[in-house]
Amino acid sequence: GQQLNQSPQSMFIQEGEDVSMNCTSSSIFNTWLWYKQDPGEGPVLLIALYKAGELTSNGRLTAQFGITRKDSFLNISASIPSDVGIYFCAGTFYGSSNTGKLIFGQGTTLQVKP
Amino acid sequence: NAGVTQTPKFQVLKTGQSMTLQCAQDMNHNSMYWYRQDPGMGLRLIYYSASEGTTDKGEVPNGYNVSRLNKREFSLRLESAAPSQTSVYFCASRPGGTDTQYFGPGTRLTVL
Repeated sequence: GQQLNQSPQSMFIQEGEDVSMNCTSSSIFNTWLWYKQDPGEGPVLLIALYKAGELTSNGRLTAQFGITRKDSFLNISASIPSDVGIYFCAGTFYGSSNTGKLIFGQGTTLQVKP
Repeated sequence: NAGVTQTPKFQVLKTGQSMTLQCAQDMNHNSMYWYRQDPGMGLRLIYYSASEGTTDKGEVPNGYNVSRLNKREFSLRLESAAPSQTSVYFCASRPGGTDTQYFGPGTRLTVL
């Protein structure tokens, strides 16, 4: 089946540092979504991307839909302790019709040291 | 507006027992989804329902059944639980015209 490769698997950074994570696929994707999951909670949508090359910001978060439609990245600037959690990329691949079926990356676990 | 709700929040079963996980959404969304989350594997789709009255298999449907009771509710049933079904289960819903899914808080299931 379709797969997304998300990296890095985990990050341990100092408060105030910038963070970058990415997802790649061997297939073309129609949509890229970035979710954050806090411990014991369900994923919450951070950013949605719908067009190749699209660059979208949400506060200190910025995400881009890759030109090839096979990748996406998420940047977090000036990290703070509440950024701790698991970040997932997800997307719908070309050819999945209108089912809305999402493929998820394995997640990036972020820890921030105050 | 509660969004997506799931019950129970935690459950412990013995091998062979059955149970139903409940999910409801109050956002009038047509599509609903069931995922399982295992460490290091992201979320994997078990079943989905594109609209009331329809259900389809996802990536990992074996050992599960679903019922789309009405537009609001989508339940997941384990007929004979196995230790391999120990996981965190998430329900999600999606409005038409977008790929964005909204998730519930999850059910943490342990099968002994």
